[in-house]
Amino acid sequence: NAGVTQTPKFRILKIGQSMTLQCAQDMNHNYMYWYRQDPGMGLKLIYYSVGAGITDKGEVPNGYNVSRSTTEDFPLRLELAAPSQTSVYFCASSYSQGAREKLLFGSGTQLSVL
Amino acid sequence: AQTVTQSQPEMSVQEAETVTLSCTYDTSENNYYLFWYKQPPSRQMILVIRQEAYKQQNATENRFSVNFQKAAKSFSLKISDSQLGDTAMYFCASQYNNNDMRFGAGTRLTVKP
Repeated sequence: NAGVTQTPKFRILKIGQSMTLQCAQDMNHNYMYWYRQDPGMGLKLIYYSVGAGITDKGEVPNGYNVSRSTTEDFPLRLELAAPSQTSVYFCASSYSQGAREKLLFGSGTQLSVL
Repeated sequence: AQTVTQSQPEMSVQEAETVTLSCTYDTSENNYYLFWYKQPPSRQMILVIRQEAYKQQNATENRFSVNFQKAAKSFSLKISDSQLGDTAMYFCASQYNNNDMRFGAGTRLTVKP
């Protein structure tokens, strides 16, 4: 049981490049989330999904896109990377809705846009 | 909108002593949840303790306990018998619906031997 797996762990992008951050969970969790953590700050929600085929915007969605074609995978797409997107990105999942359910986090992807 | 404020950017404590981390929040909701997360240098986010706003009893998990003051919108974390492994960033967070968890800026805790 691997939990929440994020790849890559580190990445450097040039301004204007595109990339996809991968997130997979093997716990059959319905709910999946993408957060970003800027230096010295807490996490902010980018996008979330309540099940396959359903996604919605969080607090800071601009510059990102997501898809949820399967229960297991929830990739985050950056189309035109900007320096403001330099951050650590965390994927998380939970089985059901509500804070009663423990949110499990991946180990993060550190992204630098230069 | 919810906001979470952690007014202590850094704290330190001697090993085996007790330390309290502060957190205040602002919400107009009546039913919500509050959390403390630990982030060690490994970057992994680890849930330390969770409090349901409608429960008056303060949550406790081994050496970790909270002081939840609903009227004052305060949610402090007390770590007793501090251990070197407690050194980490600690984030306070609030959640009032299923998908909107808001985090504070964090407190960096250092446990000194």
